[in-house]
Amino acid sequence: DAGVIQSPRHEVTEMGQEVTLRCKPISGHNSLFWYRQTMMRGLELLIYFNNNVPIDDSGMPEDRFSAKMPNASFSTLKIQPSEPRDSAVYFCASSFPSGTGNTIYFGEGSWLTVV
Amino acid sequence: GENVGLHLPTLSVQEGDNSIINCAYSNSASDYFIWYKQESGKGPQFIIDIRSNMDKRQGQRVTVLLNKTVKHLSLQIAATQPGDSAVYFCAENGEGYQKVTFGTGTKLQVIP
Repeated sequence: DAGVIQSPRHEVTEMGQEVTLRCKPISGHNSLFWYRQTMMRGLELLIYFNNNVPIDDSGMPEDRFSAKMPNASFSTLKIQPSEPRDSAVYFCASSFPSGTGNTIYFGEGSWLTVV
Repeated sequence: GENVGLHLPTLSVQEGDNSIINCAYSNSASDYFIWYKQESGKGPQFIIDIRSNMDKRQGQRVTVLLNKTVKHLSLQIAATQPGDSAVYFCAENGEGYQKVTFGTGTKLQVIP
């Protein structure tokens, strides 16, 4: 089975440019998560969706960040305009919460560098 | 709540020895816990999970222990191998099983 697929794997962009990160969750999963990982702050939950609906976006750092999930098989995380402090690894993850718990499965990450 | 990773604890273990990685969780209402392993350049991978109605669960070479009284989790790795070198995260599941919150992580270094 294919896991969570993210693109691009690596991106280097200039400050002020728009960045779009893409994610295809595991087929059949109905929850999708965007995490950001840095050395200073560890793994932070930015936003998560359930059945394509944003449930909690309290982790989104500011208005420059936005996320969408137009259908069950695709999500985007957009940063506009990007800043050097946005440099991090962005992980997408998906799951199918059940009555026994919620095991989430991660993609390989998108490594973003803003210069 | 969120943990700020200002410092990543490191555990150094001799190859062949057993490893014990500890984690304190924050939400007493959490009732499902997961351990993840993250190798360099990769995303976190599921290792083992445990529900709050259990104290112990065993997998292949790994055991998770849960102490709800003091909100403590541990991951035990038997006969640690070089391939076990990674960062290990505990995660807790709350709020209707949707939101998953991760701990700071512990770096395991296996000495050959």
